[in-house]
Order: sequence, then structure tokens, then C-alpha cells
Amino acid sequence: DAGVIQSPRHEVTEMGQEVTLRCKPISGHNSLFWYRQTMMRGLELLIYFNNNVPIDDSGMPEDRFSAKMPNASFSTLKIQPSEPRDSAVYFCASSPQGQGSNSPLHFGNGTRLTVT
Amino acid sequence: QKEVEQNSGPLSVPEGAIASLNCTYSDRGSQSFFWYRQYSGKSPELIMFIYSNGDKEDGRFTAQLNKASQYVSLLIRDSQPSDSATYLCAVRTIFGKGTKLSVKP
Repeated sequence: DAGVIQSPRHEVTEMGQEVTLRCKPISGHNSLFWYRQTMMRGLELLIYFNNNVPIDDSGMPEDRFSAKMPNASFSTLKIQPSEPRDSAVYFCASSPQGQGSNSPLHFGNGTRLTVT
Repeated sequence: QKEVEQNSGPLSVPEGAIASLNCTYSDRGSQSFFWYRQYSGKSPELIMFIYSNGDKEDGRFTAQLNKASQYVSLLIRDSQPSDSATYLCAVRTIFGKGTKLSVKP
């Protein structure tokens, strides 16, 4: 049974470039979450989708960040333009039920983003 | 602003000892609580979940929940060097910054 799949595993880009991170949730899971992890701020929830609809994007740091979920098996997180302070590990997680439920999260392996 | 607080550590215990990890949370209406383990360079993985006041045991792990005091803890008995990792407390989808545990042989 495949877990949450993220790509790429590593991304190095220059400041000002567009970055797109990809995620395939576990089949049958209807909730998808994007997180950012840094040493200083820990694991921060950026945005949450339920049934492909963005429910809560209050964690998205600014307009440079956008996320989409065009179907139940694919989501993207885009940063345009990227800045050095965006350097972090970005995790995608999925869950069989919504944010208010008791279901745990299943995490992908993450994308380590470095912006120079 | 919902907050989850953990002591960042590092917490160092000798092999075979009990490791005690603590977490407090701000949202009194929270219903579900999770402990995840994260090895360096890896993604978080679920260890335990607890929904009701009291203790819940799973092998060497015991989760404790006290909703009146708004804290949840994780006890690891007979700690092993392989338990060395960062332990993340989560109140549903909101995570603490984690406690780094080091188990010395």
C-alpha cells in the first residue's frame, strides 16, 4: 500500500525563481495538509484541503505561496517568487477524515527546499 | 491562536530508564491528541493517539491525558538507543516544536 508521495525530494533554486512542490495522497484519503518545518518554527500547518476544496489557508505565509488540489490524487504547493527565507522542509500529509476528526496524519517523505 | 508547547530538550536518559515527555495545549475544546516520532532527516510517524482522560498503554509506550489541566504526556519504558529521536506532540493538526530525546547506551 503506497504512502503519501512527494516530489522532488530535494530542490535547490535561486532567489526569485518559481518553485512547485507536488504531492500524491494515500488513495481514499479525503483530507490533505501542507506543512513547513524549520528549526526555529517547528512544523507549521500552511493549508488544509478536504475533498479537494481548500478549507483553511490561514497558515500560508504570504501571497507568494499558493496551493491547488485539482483532483483527489494530486496537489501542488507553489512559491513565486522564492526567497532565501523559504528554505525549509515541506511535508504533505493525508488523512481519511477531516481536520476535526480523530484520524492521525500520514506524512510523505518531504521536500527539502534550499533557496540561494 | 491554538498553541501546543513542549520542552525542546534535549532530554538525555540512560538505556533502560523511563523517558518522560510532556506537552501542554491552549485549546480547551481539543478532542484528539497524538504523539509522533521523527528521526533526523525523516518524516514524522505516529506512535500513539489518545482521546480520553487517563492512561493508554501500547507496548513500552504510555500516553497520559489530563484535559482539566490541558496536558498530555508520553512515557517510554525501558528506553533503547533506537528511541533517540524528536518526539512531536500534536493536538489534531497543530504540532509542538518537539522534544529531542537521547538515550545513552
